[in-house]
Amino acid sequence: ELKLLESGGDLVQPGGSLRLSCAASGFSFNNFAMSWVRQAPGKGLEWVSAISGTGDETFYADSVKGRFTISRDSSKSMLFLQMTNVSAEDTAMFYCARAYSVQGYYYYYMDVWGKGTTVTVSS
Amino acid sequence: DIQMTQSPPSLSASVGDRVTITCRASQGIASYLAWYQQRPGEAPKLLIYAASSLEPGVPSRFSGSRSGADFTLTITNLQPEDVGTYYCQNYNRAPFAFGPGTKVDLK
Repeated sequence: ELKLLESGGDLVQPGGSLRLSCAASGFSFNNFAMSWVRQAPGKGLEWVSAISGTGDETFYADSVKGRFTISRDSSKSMLFLQMTNVSAEDTAMFYCARAYSVQGYYYYYMDVWGKGTTVTVSS
Repeated sequence: DIQMTQSPPSLSASVGDRVTITCRASQGIASYLAWYQQRPGEAPKLLIYAASSLEPGVPSRFSGSRSGADFTLTITNLQPEDVGTYYCQNYNRAPFAFGPGTKVDLK
């Protein structure tokens, strides 16, 4: 069974840092690009960041560039999002998602999603 | 950056109706367009990729099409379980933005 399980969401103070994790199972993790997508309460989906299967390409939304860092540990089938200098605007449910990939080509639409982890930024 | 717009923002329809949602990209994205459904309280689910390809397991009442920079998601014979919000997404080049969403509910 394809599965993505996010963790690490928490209450954090403005200006603080947080690291989100996503454990993948049921597929060859290193063959697939991965993404983070967030959803603020009552709002729409916002693509946040993506990383290629090899980890040598990363992409960020302008809203998080310079503050968030995406990374992966293929030996452990884990995806991470390091969040720094957070603000109230970062309060959201964060989803980990697999990007469709085939024969080394990455297509950054998301075919498998986790259930999400909640980040709340408040003093 | 490529901006995605959707219309309408919301709609109400009856069971059995045909529903059409439109998405437009501010720049050319070829057919690198996906559609997602998000039911209340759930994670998003992929419906359509490459503008018109149905994801395996998705009911055939969902279909997608492209006309230039305009993309359409059609739900024929609307069912109660189709209630939710629908998003388009550009995956031609980063940032891989979503549209603002279209909320579908039942009359």
